Amino acid sequence: AQTVTQSQPEMSVQEAETVTLSCTYDTSENNYYLFWYKQPPSRQMILVIRQEAYKQQNATENRFSVNFQKAAKSFSLKISDSQLGDTAMYFCAFMKPLANSNSGYALNFGKGTSLLVTP
Amino acid sequence: GAVVSQHPSRVICKSGTSVKIECRSLDFQATTMFWYRQFPKKSLMLMATSNEGSKATYEQGVEKDKFLINHASLTLSTLTVTSAHPEDSSFYICSASNRVIGEAFFGQGTRLTVV
Repeated sequence: AQTVTQSQPEMSVQEAETVTLSCTYDTSENNYYLFWYKQPPSRQMILVIRQEAYKQQNATENRFSVNFQKAAKSFSLKISDSQLGDTAMYFCAFMKPLANSNSGYALNFGKGTSLLVTP
Repeated sequence: GAVVSQHPSRVICKSGTSVKIECRSLDFQATTMFWYRQFPKKSLMLMATSNEGSKATYEQGVEKDKFLINHASLTLSTLTVTSAHPEDSSFYICSASNRVIGEAFFGQGTRLTVV
């Protein structure tokens, strides 16, 4: 089974500063996807960033970027120029195609990191 | 991104009754749907994974007879909480995906309160 570990239950950062959230995962697969999702108080899950394992280049979406280290099975999220609206729970997730299915996926989440951005 | 609609957003039911939650993919064919339960300030606990036309695969500890999952079409999956009890009160979230998209999209969630 795949496991996703987020070792930081809570983090705090000042507005305009940079913060990095860590995520490690365990898998023997070579083909998979990694995601960071944000869950604000509304509880709607919002995709922040996505990385395909076969791509060496780190994904970037505006102020959000990842440091994907495939050999180390590490997938950290860096938030630059933090904004008050970034306050939320952040979940790292791992998804891989199921071997015994033409269409199925397995999707596993870490326990989440609660990020607080302070003025 | 693709849109997944989950309904209802909130439901209150009496203990012993059954409640059905719907999850629809509005603009893509969802060959795989996931159902999660989330406790306050906790992560998403995967309950089951369903592939269209197949029986759902339940995670260990999730009662199949209590949480009935149906994924009969490529755009609709339902979760029925049978004979609900107060301990079933929680936030339930669905997500949908297919291999072409390579990404999971989430519904808005359903807050279930059993009184």
